[in-house]
Amino acid sequence: AQSVTQLGSHVSVSEGALVLLRCNYSSSVPPYLFWYVQYPNQGLQLLLKYTTGATLVKGINGFEAEFKKSETSFHLTKPSAHMSDAAEYFCAVSSMEYGNKLVFGAGTILRVKS
Amino acid sequence: DTGVSQNPRHKITKRGQNVTFRCDPISEHNRLYWYRQTLGQGPEFLTYFQNEAQLEKSRLLSDRFSAERPKGSFSTLEIQRTEQGDSAMYLCASSSRGGSNQPQHFGDGTRLSIL
Repeated sequence: AQSVTQLGSHVSVSEGALVLLRCNYSSSVPPYLFWYVQYPNQGLQLLLKYTTGATLVKGINGFEAEFKKSETSFHLTKPSAHMSDAAEYFCAVSSMEYGNKLVFGAGTILRVKS
Repeated sequence: DTGVSQNPRHKITKRGQNVTFRCDPISEHNRLYWYRQTLGQGPEFLTYFQNEAQLEKSRLLSDRFSAERPKGSFSTLEIQRTEQGDSAMYLCASSSRGGSNQPQHFGDGTRLSIL
């Protein structure tokens, strides 16, 4: 089975500060990992993905994430928060062995203070 | 690339009524997925199609739910005899060939409210 845990349902940062959103996964097979962002009343937009290869993955809007197999983590970071980053962020895992479905964490709401 | 399109965006109906949602995937994508998202939760997988074949269904998909993708293009999700617990956002996603490492692209969802 596969599962995702996102630590912290709400994270608040000041504009210009580092953003760190935590994601830990459980998977008995090599995982594919994704981060999505959701703005109110909208669908999910892909930020970045890890499949194979380089463990530090860069995505859109200045976000990046690092796959750490030993820690079963895939934390999302951004050096400097913008007001427009305020949204809900979801970490997800999939693998061929468990079909093609995405298994999502419960999400983290990011608040950016001016 | 016009993105994944879902209609309607909002649906309000009385308990016991039937509802149908439509999803138009990105045109060259052969895989189509349905998810359900309730308030404060991440999306949960319901079912997925590869072309017109429905390859997997979640246990969340009770007998009142049925999904089709008759020509391998658009898909419909029907809920019969709706219940209060069906109130949620229903999200559709599509992806191209290549397996589960291909990212899924989501529509803006259909928000269902049961009175």
